Amino acid sequence: AQSVSQHNHHVILSEAASLELGCNYSYGGTVNLFWYVQYPGQHLQLLLKYFSGDPLVKGIKGFEAEFIKSKFSFNLRKPSVQWSDTAEYFCAVNGGGNNRKLIWGLGTSLAVNP
Amino acid sequence: GAGVSQTPSNKVTEKGKYVELRCDPISGHTALYWYRQSLGQGPEFLIYFQGTGAADDSGLPNDRFFAVRPEGSVSTLKIQRTERGDSAVYLCASSPQGGDTQYFGPGTRLTVL
Repeated sequence: AQSVSQHNHHVILSEAASLELGCNYSYGGTVNLFWYVQYPGQHLQLLLKYFSGDPLVKGIKGFEAEFIKSKFSFNLRKPSVQWSDTAEYFCAVNGGGNNRKLIWGLGTSLAVNP
Repeated sequence: GAGVSQTPSNKVTEKGKYVELRCDPISGHTALYWYRQSLGQGPEFLIYFQGTGAADDSGLPNDRFFAVRPEGSVSTLKIQRTERGDSAVYLCASSPQGGDTQYFGPGTRLTVL
C-alpha cells in the first residue's frame, strides 16, 4: 500500500536549535517527494521537492532534505530554526508522470520558542 | 499573479443538504486537484482533472461526491446528502502543463451539523 509516515507529530524547539523531521514512504516504482509547509492562517506552500538527480535538495528559507532510496526516507533539515518557522510540515509522495495524486503524511507541528 | 482561489471560505450546512464548493485555479494551469483534510490529518486525495476530464477519481469516497470542470478552468466539487463525517477542509490545487508541483488554495472549511 502507498503511504507516508512522519515520525514526529509535535516538535518544540528553541530558536537556533537544529531541526530534523523524519519522513518514510512506501510506494512502488519511481517517486517524486515533497515537503509542504502551512504557516498559521495560511495555505499549504511548497518548501522543496525531489524528482531525480542530486539526492540532497535545497528549498526555501534554508531548508534542505535528503532522499535516501535504500531507507525509503526523505528527512527535512534546517541547521538553525527561527520563531517564524513555527508551522505544520507535511511530507508527500507521488509517482510523477500520470501518477499525480499526492499521498500525504499526517504532518508535524513545529513550535519554535523565541 | 493570482493564486488558486476557493469559495466559499466557510460553509455550514445541515445533514442531508447539498453543497457546492468552487475552485478557480491559477490562470493557464491545466491540471486541477481536490483533496480534503480532516482535523489532525494530512490531506487526502479526492480527484484530479487534466483539462476537462477526470484523469483520476479514485479518491472520491462514494457516489455522493462528484466534481466537474466543464471548460477546463473552474471546478466545482458537489456533495449530495451531506453527512457529519464530510466535515473537513476541502483543498484545491493546480499545476501547469507538464509541471509536478501543485499550488494550493486556502481551502473551504465545510461543517455539517
